[in-house]
Amino acid sequence: AQSVTQPDIHITVSEGASLELRCNYSYGATPYLFWYVQSPGQGLQLLLKYFSGDTLVQGIKGFEAEFKRSQSSFNLRKPSVHWSDAAEYFCAVGGRGSQGNLIFGKGTKLSVKP
Amino acid sequence: KAGVTQTPRYLIKTRGQQVTLSCSPISGHRSVSWYQQTPGQGLQFLFEYFSETQRNKGNFPGRFSGRQFSNSRSEMNVSTLELGDSALYLCASSFTLGGAEETQYFGPGTRLLVL
Repeated sequence: AQSVTQPDIHITVSEGASLELRCNYSYGATPYLFWYVQSPGQGLQLLLKYFSGDTLVQGIKGFEAEFKRSQSSFNLRKPSVHWSDAAEYFCAVGGRGSQGNLIFGKGTKLSVKP
Repeated sequence: KAGVTQTPRYLIKTRGQQVTLSCSPISGHRSVSWYQQTPGQGLQFLFEYFSETQRNKGNFPGRFSGRQFSNSRSEMNVSTLELGDSALYLCASSFTLGGAEETQYFGPGTRLLVL
């Protein structure tokens, strides 16, 4: 079955600390992987995406993610978290020609301590 | 360039009623997808339209339907509302074919409350 697992429901980090959000996927075909962020009352904003090539992808707001095929993982990282990063983060997977049908994880809520 | 817009932003309905939500994609985008977001089920794909044709559909009952117009604007309709339909409904648009290789841009959503 196709699925995305984000094992951490809620993470709290101190401002300035590093961050890693975990994402594992199960997908039958070549996966296209995404990280989205959602602030309260808002829609989803794309942080970064991986289609092919370099397995370390850079995104907006200083985020990066690494695709590890052997571990079926696509973890999101940021070296130094800012208070404005507090939001909910969603990992998603789709396939070529999947026609809009992204499969999302349940999300990880990030809180940032001053 | 304006982003994806959704109207209305908030809506309150009662059980048994029907509701229509609207989505205007980014100019030039021809694919529109709809998602339902609830605390329990998370984000779930409803359906996707391209050039006025539904190309893909998620696992939702027939009470959920949609359509797309020639200008790529899309509407979704939910008939005979149930309490469990309370959710944030998100619309996303993409440029051409709507495959996963095309980045989807999401609107702010319509929050529907069914009483």
